[in-house]
Amino acid sequence: EAGVAQSPRYKIIEKRQSVAFWCNPISGHATLYWYQQILGQGPKLLIQFQNNGVVDDSQLPKDRFSAERLKGVDSTLKIQPAKLEDSAVYLCASSLTSQGYANYGYTFGSGTRLTVV
Amino acid sequence: DAKTTQPNSMESNEEEPVHLPCNHSTISGTDYIHWYRQLPSQGPEYVIHGLTSNVNNRMASLAIAEDRKSSTLILHRATLRDAAVYYCILRSTLNYGGSQGNLIFGKGTKLSVKP
Repeated sequence: EAGVAQSPRYKIIEKRQSVAFWCNPISGHATLYWYQQILGQGPKLLIQFQNNGVVDDSQLPKDRFSAERLKGVDSTLKIQPAKLEDSAVYLCASSLTSQGYANYGYTFGSGTRLTVV
Repeated sequence: DAKTTQPNSMESNEEEPVHLPCNHSTISGTDYIHWYRQLPSQGPEYVIHGLTSNVNNRMASLAIAEDRKSSTLILHRATLRDAAVYYCILRSTLNYGGSQGNLIFGKGTKLSVKP
């Protein structure tokens, strides 16, 4: 099966500019996640979607970050305006959802490396 | 999600077995033990998971202590491609306000493999 697709692979922007990342999950995966990974740290969950609804966005800095999954398939994460501390790898992941959801693994994309200068 | 403790780093020789430990003394009966690894410049990759019994798959084995307060990921013959950061994560089967036992990553163990 095809993996989780993310684009772009790399992005360099100046602070206060805006940027958007795109993710296409594995076909049939109802749950989609966006993670932020700062260099040297483990990934941090930003937002979780179940189909086209937000399940958990408690860690998303909503003053500058937004995300959508309008048709319950692919998703876009946006940062506006970007700050220097937003430099990180942004990872998208998807998983099946069923009654025993902790019994399923996530599949991650390769991520988008964002550098804010 | 309950907390796990892993060594910051470990070294192994190529073609030797590797035992990566994880302590999770506050694990609850509804927590699955998941292992992921992250190779350089890639997203995390699922390795294995289990609840109570030891588990084997093509990548690794997971040995779970009888009291479930610790577990060990076993790579039977390390290769250079196994050099990665390994994360031990507890996932709850309970639905905490809809968060559905999300993967919460710590810092993991950085495994180096020497030829």
